[in-house]
Amino acid sequence: EEQLVESGGDLVQPGGSLRLSCAASGFTFSDHSLNWVRLSPGRGLEWVSFIDSIDNIVNYAASVRGRFTISRDNAKNSVFLQMDRLRADDTAIYYCATWVEGGFGLWGQGTLVTVSS
Amino acid sequence: DVVMTQSPLSLPVTLGQPASISCRSSQGLVYSDGYTLLNWFQQRPGQSPRRLLYKVSHRDSGVPDRFSGSGSGTEFTLKISRVEAEDVGVYYCMQGTHWPPTFGQGTKVEIK
Repeated sequence: EEQLVESGGDLVQPGGSLRLSCAASGFTFSDHSLNWVRLSPGRGLEWVSFIDSIDNIVNYAASVRGRFTISRDNAKNSVFLQMDRLRADDTAIYYCATWVEGGFGLWGQGTLVTVSS
Repeated sequence: DVVMTQSPLSLPVTLGQPASISCRSSQGLVYSDGYTLLNWFQQRPGQSPRRLLYKVSHRDSGVPDRFSGSGSGTEFTLKISRVEAEDVGVYYCMQGTHWPPTFGQGTKVEIK
């Protein structure tokens, strides 16, 4: 069964850092581009970041560029999101998702990030 | 960024009756390969989003055939031919043609 499992969400103070992980199984991880997408009450679903399968080309939403860093380890079938200088409006459920047929094909169960003092 | 606008935002439906959700994009969604990268997602309560349709009308594996998609240009529609209790949740359209990918606000489907 194809599966993505996120971890690393937590309560963190504004200005703090957090590292999210997403472990894949059941498919050839190195063949797929991976994304982080978040869901919050105020902003709905929002694409956050992308890393491709071949050249490790990355891209970020304007709201997180310069603060978040995406990376992947194909040997460990994992993708990561390093989040620095966190703000209250980064509070959300963070999902990793594959990019398939022009959209987000497979989603994980999500991990909750809460930024609050 | 391409703005995706859904209507209605709330949709009370009767079991066994049809339902329809509209999605409008601020730009045309035809990609360079000729395909229109318009997706529909379902998020049931307490679950993560699940894709139902891609490229306007192609159903993902395991999606019941009561779900269908149509449209072109900037106007798209998701139809449920006969609503079942398990269809309760929030539905989102999303475009993958123009970077960054963007979602509609979501339509909450509930049983009357």
